[in-house]
Amino acid sequence: DQQVKQNSPSLSVQEGRISILNCDYTNSMFDYFLWYKKYPAEGPTFLISISSIKDKNEDGRFTVFLNKSAKHLSLHIVPSQPGDSAVYFCAASGLTGANNLFFGTGTRLTVIP
Amino acid sequence: EAGVVQSPRYKIIEKKQPVAFWCNPISGHNTLYWYRQNLGQGPELLIRYENEEAVDDSQLPKDRFSAERLKGVDSTLKIQPAELGDSAVYLCASSPGTSGYNEQFFGPGTRLTVL
Repeated sequence: DQQVKQNSPSLSVQEGRISILNCDYTNSMFDYFLWYKKYPAEGPTFLISISSIKDKNEDGRFTVFLNKSAKHLSLHIVPSQPGDSAVYFCAASGLTGANNLFFGTGTRLTVIP
Repeated sequence: EAGVVQSPRYKIIEKKQPVAFWCNPISGHNTLYWYRQNLGQGPELLIRYENEEAVDDSQLPKDRFSAERLKGVDSTLKIQPAELGDSAVYLCASSPGTSGYNEQFFGPGTRLTVL
C-alpha cells in the first residue's frame, strides 16, 4: 500500500514560471517530509524538508508547503529554470520509523526554455 | 568530501546467477541504508544498519537476499539466486546518526538487469 503518493507522473512548465509539485500521504504518524531531486544515472539528492510543526519552509527558489489536515504537501519552484528538469520525489518519515523514508513514485519536471 | 560510492554501476546477469553490490558510505556516517528502486517507482527500503547492526531488515527478502556491514563501514548486498523480478536500481544511502532527523545521502546506484 503506497503511503506517499505523487499523482502527477509528469509536469511541463515554461522557464521563468512557477512549478508546483504535489504530494499526498496517508499515514498520520509521518511528521517529517522531504523532497529529493534525481537526475538520470544519479542517486536522489536532498532538496528541502519540512517538519510537521511548520506549514512552510523556504530555501531560495524552493518552498515547501505542508497542510497536515489534508495530509498534503507541495513544492513550489519559482522561477523555474531548465536545470530544474529532473524527477522529484516526495518522502516522509515518522518517529516510529527511526528515520526510515517512504518515497512517492516521483514527478518528472520538464522546464521548457 | 567524497559522497556515497557504489560499485558496480551496471550489472547484467542471467537468472539464477548470484550478484553482489558494494557500498562505501560517507566517512563518519553511522547509518547505512539499502534501497531498491523499480522502474517508475520511488526507492523502497530493504535494510538499515546502525554501525554494523542491521536494525531494520523487515523488507529484505531473506530467502535470496543477504547483506553485511563488517566493521560498520562498507556494506555489501547479495542476491543468490537472482530472478527476473530483481531487475532494478539498487541504491545505497548513508546518514550521520539516528538522533532527530537526518538527511540521507544517496549513491548513484547499481542498475541490475536480470536476463
